[in-house]
Amino acid sequence: GEDVEQSLFLSVREGDSSVINCTYTDSSSTYLYWYKQEPGAGLQLLTYIFSNMDMKQDQRLTVLLNKKDKHLSLRIADTQTGDSAIYFCAESMSDFGNEKLTFGTGTRLTIIP
Amino acid sequence: EAGVTQFPSHSVIEKGQTVTLRCDPISGHDNLYWYRRVMGKEIKFLLHFVKESKQDESGMPNNRFLAERTGGTYSTLKVQPAELEDSGVYFCASSLHNEQFFGPGTRLTVL
Repeated sequence: GEDVEQSLFLSVREGDSSVINCTYTDSSSTYLYWYKQEPGAGLQLLTYIFSNMDMKQDQRLTVLLNKKDKHLSLRIADTQTGDSAIYFCAESMSDFGNEKLTFGTGTRLTIIP
Repeated sequence: EAGVTQFPSHSVIEKGQTVTLRCDPISGHDNLYWYRRVMGKEIKFLLHFVKESKQDESGMPNNRFLAERTGGTYSTLKVQPAELEDSGVYFCASSLHNEQFFGPGTRLTVL
């Protein structure tokens, strides 16, 4: 069955790097995603990675995928107060828009001034 | 372009009552999804519409939940009768081909 796990909380000092981890169980996952939820808002897609990739970088965001260990991480460089949010890891077995997403519990990122 | 909207933003009802949640997807998006997050837990898939048809309703918890999408535009999710364990945040998402765009959610509290 599908299962995605994350730590519930992470606190990081402003300016440091944040690393949010996620493990999944379904080896047939095709796409893996990171979503951000700010207070009172919906889920915003931050980035995604295809399962045949090891790494993807987009400005301050770096996604690492270890397919052997079924481990996904999101690194946020130079963490700012605006990065405070809940971050959800998710997987799907198909392309966007045509398949349900399986989410983790979400990691609440708190920035310490 | 307007995003996905959901109504109401909050709903507080008593056990046994009925509640109807509404989702307006982005105009032209054929795919519409309902998800639910129970407090502190993962966001779980409920069902997926393609236009007015239910493509996948494997996540619907039981027959107290009824989702409709008449005309293939907006969707409603009715809970009747509501139970305590139905409390949570209900998210709607829509997509055309790629990214799923999420609404802000409806927070349902059943007392």
